Formats: sequence, C-alpha cells, structure tokens
Amino acid sequence: AQSVTQPDIHITVSEGASLELRCNYSYGATPYLFWYVQSPGQGLQLLLKYFSGDTLVQGIKGFEAEFKRSQSSFNLRKPSVHWSDAAEYFCAVARGGGSQGNLIFGKGTKLSVKP
Amino acid sequence: GAGVSQSPSNKVTEKGKDVELRCDPISGHTALYWYRQRLGQGLEFLIYFQGNSAPDKSGLPSDRFSAERTGESVSTLTIQRTQQEDSAVYLCASSLAPGQHYEQYFGPGTRLTVT
Repeated sequence: AQSVTQPDIHITVSEGASLELRCNYSYGATPYLFWYVQSPGQGLQLLLKYFSGDTLVQGIKGFEAEFKRSQSSFNLRKPSVHWSDAAEYFCAVARGGGSQGNLIFGKGTKLSVKP
Repeated sequence: GAGVSQSPSNKVTEKGKDVELRCDPISGHTALYWYRQRLGQGLEFLIYFQGNSAPDKSGLPSDRFSAERTGESVSTLTIQRTQQEDSAVYLCASSLAPGQHYEQYFGPGTRLTVT
C-alpha cells in the first residue's frame, strides 16, 4: 500500500537559514508527489508537484523539491527561510491504480521560525 | 474567483447527535474530495465524487458517515450518532477534473468537536 513518511514532527530554524523538510514515500511505480503548506486557520495550498521529467522541481514562495527514486524521497528545500514560512507542511502522493487522484498524506512537519 | 468554501467553520456537538457539513466547490470543478484531519495527523481520504459517477466511498471509516453531491455543485458530509473520535477538521477539495494531474484546491475546513 502507498504511504508517506515525514520523519520530523517539528523543526525550528532561524530566519534567513536554509531549510530541508524530509519526505519518504512507498509506492511501486513512478509516484505523483506533492508538497502542501497549511498556515494557521488556512486551507492547504499547493507548493509544488512532481509527475515526471526533471527531478528538481520549483514551486511557489521560493521552495523547491528533489525527487530521488533511489532513496524514495522527495525532500522540500528553501535556501533562506522567512518568518512568514512558519506553518505546517505536508507531503502527499497520489493514489494510483485509477484516475481519482485522491491523495495520501504524511502526518506533517510543523515549521517554526525564530528571529 | 471564489475558492472552495465550507460551512460551518466550527461545530460543537454532543455525542450521539447527527451533524451535516457543507462544501461549495469552485464553479466548474467536476471532482470533489472529502478528507479528515485529526489532531497531529495528516489528512485521511474519505470520499470522492466525479460528475454523475458513483462516488468512491472507500475511505469512509464507518457506516455512520455518508456524503452526497448534487451534480457538480454542493456536497454535504453527514455523520450520524457522532462519537468523540469523530472530532477532527473536515476538509473539502475540488479539482477541475479527476486524476493526479489536476491540482486539488482545498477549503478552510470545518472543525468538529464532539463533547
């Protein structure tokens, strides 16, 4: 069965520092992978997605993620974190075997940014 | 244009009562998804609607949960005889078409508290 693991429940970084949020997936075929961000009181917003092709994908708000098949990983990175990036981040994989596209989510990583 | 809206934003109910949660998808979006987000957990898929096709109910946790959607418009999620473990944020998402290639746009959610 497909699954997504986000090993870090909570990460704190200093403003201006670099960020990497980890995501590992379990899926037999080429996965469709997503990163979402959830700010307090807000719905989820799509940051970026990977379907195929270039393994380094660029997203909104200066985020990028790299798909590494050999490591079953899709880690999210940002070179310089801003205070407004404090939020919860979810990695997700699209369910295969059909065309529904419903997503399987990791448990999320909460990001705190200290001044 | 307007995003996905959900109502109510918060609902407190007594154990054993029935509740109805509403989702208004983005106009023109044919696919609609319901997810549940328990405290400290990722999102769990509940049910999926696509046009007039039979919904995919594979994620519903028990027969106390049901959902309806009229055509490509509003959807309601009903929980009968609520239990404390039903306390969660219920999120609705819509997409232009089904499948992992189409971005899911999420509403702000309904926070359900069962006392």
